[in-house]
Amino acid sequence: QKEVEQNSGPLSVPEGAIASLNCTYSDRVSQSFFWYRQYSGKSPELIMSIYSNGDKEDGRFTAQLNKASQYVSLLIRDSQPSDSATYLCASDSGAGSYQLTFGKGTKLSVIP
Amino acid sequence: EAGVAQSPRYKIIEKRQSVAFWCNPISGHATLYWYQQILGQGPKLLIQFQNNGVVDDSQLPKDRFSAERLKGVDSTLKIQPAKLEDSAVYLCASSPRGGASGAYNEQFFGPGTRLTVL
Repeated sequence: QKEVEQNSGPLSVPEGAIASLNCTYSDRVSQSFFWYRQYSGKSPELIMSIYSNGDKEDGRFTAQLNKASQYVSLLIRDSQPSDSATYLCASDSGAGSYQLTFGKGTKLSVIP
Repeated sequence: EAGVAQSPRYKIIEKRQSVAFWCNPISGHATLYWYQQILGQGPKLLIQFQNNGVVDDSQLPKDRFSAERLKGVDSTLKIQPAKLEDSAVYLCASSPRGGASGAYNEQFFGPGTRLTVL
């Protein structure tokens, strides 16, 4: 059973701080990893993809991947109240169908 | 570029009634997915289409759920008869070419249909 584990939170950070969201996955053959942001009552929105070990930066977002530890993280710098949402981590199933398995999400609250 | 379209956005039905959802993927996207998202959970895959063929429907409760993607473009998901536990958001997503790693498998979601079964 492929699993993606996330701390459900809520994670509260003050405005301007760095928010750190973590995720572990069980399937060693997973190759691609995705972070989605989901506002309350809305559908998931893709914000970051990462395929190789190391860091990938896009604006205020940095995704980190460590395949040896089966660990993915998302850092949000200079957090804004508009970043308050649930963040879903997803990993693919590797060779074949590359289906995504989603975690339950971490709820982030950025306090003004 | 237009995103994934879904309709209706909301639906309220009585248990044992039937309901259908429609999805139109991003133009040119070969792979289409239907997910069920229960409150507080991540999306759970129901069925995956590649063009007009089914790749995986192992998680689809086939005694009551059915889906089709005629002509390899838009798709419908049907529930008949609905149960109380079917209350959820039904999400449609598409990707340029599922069955491949990396950017080809980036999935983009539609706005979803919120189903309430009374």
